[in-house]
Amino acid sequence: GDSVTQMEGPVTLSEEAFLTINCTYTATGYPSLFWYVQYPGEGLQLLLKATKADDKGSNKGFEATYRKETTSFHLEKGSVQVSDSAVYFCAPTNTGNQFYFGTGTSLTVIP
Amino acid sequence: GAVVSQHPSRVICKSGTSVKIECRSLDFQATTMFWYRQFPKQSLMLMATSNEGSKATYEQGVEKDKFLINHASLTLSTLTVTSAHPEDSSFYICSARAPTLNTEAFFGQGTRLTVV
Repeated sequence: GDSVTQMEGPVTLSEEAFLTINCTYTATGYPSLFWYVQYPGEGLQLLLKATKADDKGSNKGFEATYRKETTSFHLEKGSVQVSDSAVYFCAPTNTGNQFYFGTGTSLTVIP
Repeated sequence: GAVVSQHPSRVICKSGTSVKIECRSLDFQATTMFWYRQFPKQSLMLMATSNEGSKATYEQGVEKDKFLINHASLTLSTLTVTSAHPEDSSFYICSARAPTLNTEAFFGQGTRLTVV
């Protein structure tokens, strides 16, 4: 089945620092790739997605590019804020299939 | 956007009792729903996949007689934790997909179950 390997956390950054969270995946065919974010005590929210190779997903200053050749979908943000503190999950999926999540990466941004 | 509502958000129950958690898609028809359990250090484990009108497909190691899943309609799936024990205490999250909404999954806000 599909699987994902994410950068281990927790990650602690100062406000306005640059963020990278690495994600590599294994999946059959041509999956869509997603980043979800979980704020404390809540469920998961879609952060961004990319549906084909070389697509760049972006939202709220976060970006990730679908790299089929390296099977990666690294998450980046140029300047993090305290409000970005959350857990981030990367997941590949094919239509109709399950989302298999990894351990997620916890991010804490300090003022 | 599509909304998935999960209820209750928190529940405390005594050992040996059963607890039902509901997951509703509010503005779309969810042909497939998923149930996850989140462990400490945020690891999310897929428990089962349910399709409307058919039996749920459980992941390896998940007891189907303990975690009863019913997907009776296109907008409602329920997870019942039967004869709950303290080790069942966890954060349970449902999600739903619809063919008309591409490949994205929409998640409920989660249920914190504490068994005492």
